[in-house]
Amino acid sequence: AQSVAQPEDQVNVAEGNPLTVKCTYSVSGNPYLFWYVQYPNRGLQFLLKYITGDNLVKGSYGFEAEFNKSQTSFHLKKPSALVSDSALYFCAVREVSNYQLIWGAGTKLIIKP
Amino acid sequence: ETGVTQTPRHLVMGMTNKKSLKCEQHLGHNAMYWYKQSAKKPLELMFVYSLEERVENNSVPSRFSPECPNSSHLFLHLHTLQPEDSALYLCASSQESGGSSYNEQFFGPGTRLTVL
Repeated sequence: AQSVAQPEDQVNVAEGNPLTVKCTYSVSGNPYLFWYVQYPNRGLQFLLKYITGDNLVKGSYGFEAEFNKSQTSFHLKKPSALVSDSALYFCAVREVSNYQLIWGAGTKLIIKP
Repeated sequence: ETGVTQTPRHLVMGMTNKKSLKCEQHLGHNAMYWYKQSAKKPLELMFVYSLEERVENNSVPSRFSPECPNSSHLFLHLHTLQPEDSALYLCASSQESGGSSYNEQFFGPGTRLTVL
């Protein structure tokens, strides 16, 4: 069965430090992988996606994610965190032949000044 | 209006009420979705209308009833809800072109539903 795991409920990072939000997945075929961000009282906003090609994907607001097929991971990263990055982050996966997304439970990212 | 809009933004209803949530997308997409978001849980896909085909999650109770009159509008009709149905209900849309499509979904701001 398809599944997505975000092992950390919350990640705390000091402003200016690098951040990583972890995501691992399980699908039977080749995956399409997505990261979304949700700010308070808002819907989800698309950050980036991996479809094929270069394992390092760059997205909005300076975020990037690295696809690792052997570890079935798609961790979200940013070299220097901003207080405004504080939000809820969701990882999602879909199989090539299925348009439905499978979602992780979300990771709350807190950036402290 | 741009993107995906949802009304109302907040709704409080009793267990015997009937209400409807509305979603409208201005992106020209051909697929629309209803999700339920509860704290610290994965988003739960409730219903999908894609390429004029309706797909539903069989675990969704019958007190939730979707309606999609055209590709731009989506409704979620609510009746005799339970307190555990209190959650944020999100609408999303995407452009689908068959099984190999990989386009992202665009979300509305959600309706915060409280069932008393």
